[in-house]
Amino acid sequence: KNEVEQSPQNLTAQEGEFITINCSYSVGISALHWLQQHPGGGIVSLFMLSSGKKKHGRLIATINIQEKHSSLHITASHPRDSAVYICAVRSRGANSKLTFGKGITLSVRP
Amino acid sequence: NAGVMQNPRHLVRRRGQEARLRCSPMKGHSHVYWYRQLPEEGLKFMVYLQKENIIDESGMPKERFSAEFPKEGPSILRIQQVVRGDSAAYFCASSPVGGPSTDTQYFGPGTRLTVL
Repeated sequence: KNEVEQSPQNLTAQEGEFITINCSYSVGISALHWLQQHPGGGIVSLFMLSSGKKKHGRLIATINIQEKHSSLHITASHPRDSAVYICAVRSRGANSKLTFGKGITLSVRP
Repeated sequence: NAGVMQNPRHLVRRRGQEARLRCSPMKGHSHVYWYRQLPEEGLKFMVYLQKENIIDESGMPKERFSAEFPKEGPSILRIQQVVRGDSAAYFCASSPVGGPSTDTQYFGPGTRLTVL
């Protein structure tokens, strides 16, 4: 079993829809990251969470430490949101490294 | 403030040659991380460096791969005697002084290595 599982694997939505992408992990963590990888390959860090909820524009990220689960929500989705969304966790420890999920490929149709 | 820079963006090598990938972290960042993304797979951690020190190289293959982050200049990921299985996208990320446990990492655009 992978340490980080993301669902669904692929997701297609219509412009304007509310989108939820999920991430579950199996280890104790100090932080969880959501990353966005565009078709050109570049990676952008969207959020880093250790508890609660964060919001940036149309993006909202939540984490439930007890349930080892995080969600990324996109409101009023747009075709430019089409990308791969990657969840990564940092385990506890001073120099711990990131472990990545395989990513969710999101396509938003106009 | 320029972001993380990687060069070259694309690198083609024949089997047996050496590949050198360079990463210049964001200004003021002293922590550098290298990741590899194989085709159809997720990102995998390779190595974490601070200036002149390798902090964690648990993700590096035991042979042919090495990394450095000298006092001056970019971080270098070096792959000797490349094989086809080394073909991948290699990403570098950096974070500021303060340690990796709380800092956001900023990613470079990646170097796409193709081994013929």
